[in-house]
Amino acid sequence: DAKTTQPNSMESNEEEPVHLPCNHSTISGTDYIHWYRQLPSQGPEYVIHGLTSNVNNRMASLAIAEDRKSSTLILHRATLRDAAVYYCILRDVIIQGAQKLVFGQGTRLTINP
Amino acid sequence: DTEVTQTPKHLVMGMTNKKSLKCEQHMGHRAMYWYKQKAKKPPELMFVYSYEKLSINESVPSRFSPECPNSSLLNLHLHALQPEDSALYLCASSPHDRQGRTEAFFGQGTRLTVV
Repeated sequence: DAKTTQPNSMESNEEEPVHLPCNHSTISGTDYIHWYRQLPSQGPEYVIHGLTSNVNNRMASLAIAEDRKSSTLILHRATLRDAAVYYCILRDVIIQGAQKLVFGQGTRLTINP
Repeated sequence: DTEVTQTPKHLVMGMTNKKSLKCEQHMGHRAMYWYKQKAKKPPELMFVYSYEKLSINESVPSRFSPECPNSSLLNLHLHALQPEDSALYLCASSPHDRQGRTEAFFGQGTRLTVV
């Protein structure tokens, strides 16, 4: 399983941008980079994914390095509701159309009011 | 409807009991998953089903027995569990996509305590 490395924890202030880094030096050419987050007492929820180009959606932006060995999830204006554990995942093997998502340790994001 | 519904939300069972966890989705997803999550740890993949067939078993002990009776339903049958099996059990589903580009939807989980 392709591995990712993230800082254990990060802290930011409300209404400021947050940059969450992820290293994935063993990424293969066909691996998609997925980000999920898990709010307290909830199941994980999808945030964003990308392959090579930077991606934006209503929740966040994903910046992918040119060599694809690292990526950064960007929350443009953090709110208290963004406090969660953020997981960077390399979408692994596809078995008959089902994707194998293997979670790493993740980054626990704390947002200060 | 973009929900994955898991029942029960909480379950306490003895080591000699037999119980089942249930997961349901009506998004037409043909891939479904079971994960186990211990406190302060990331979710660990247990089983993957594709088109109602077991595709991946991550060397899970036989006291956990998954079942996918139809495309909307996924069960996890539990028998002779140990206290260390106490955890949050998460179910997920995703569209059947050969490029794996699409998101997985997770339920809220069943909090299992084995006594």
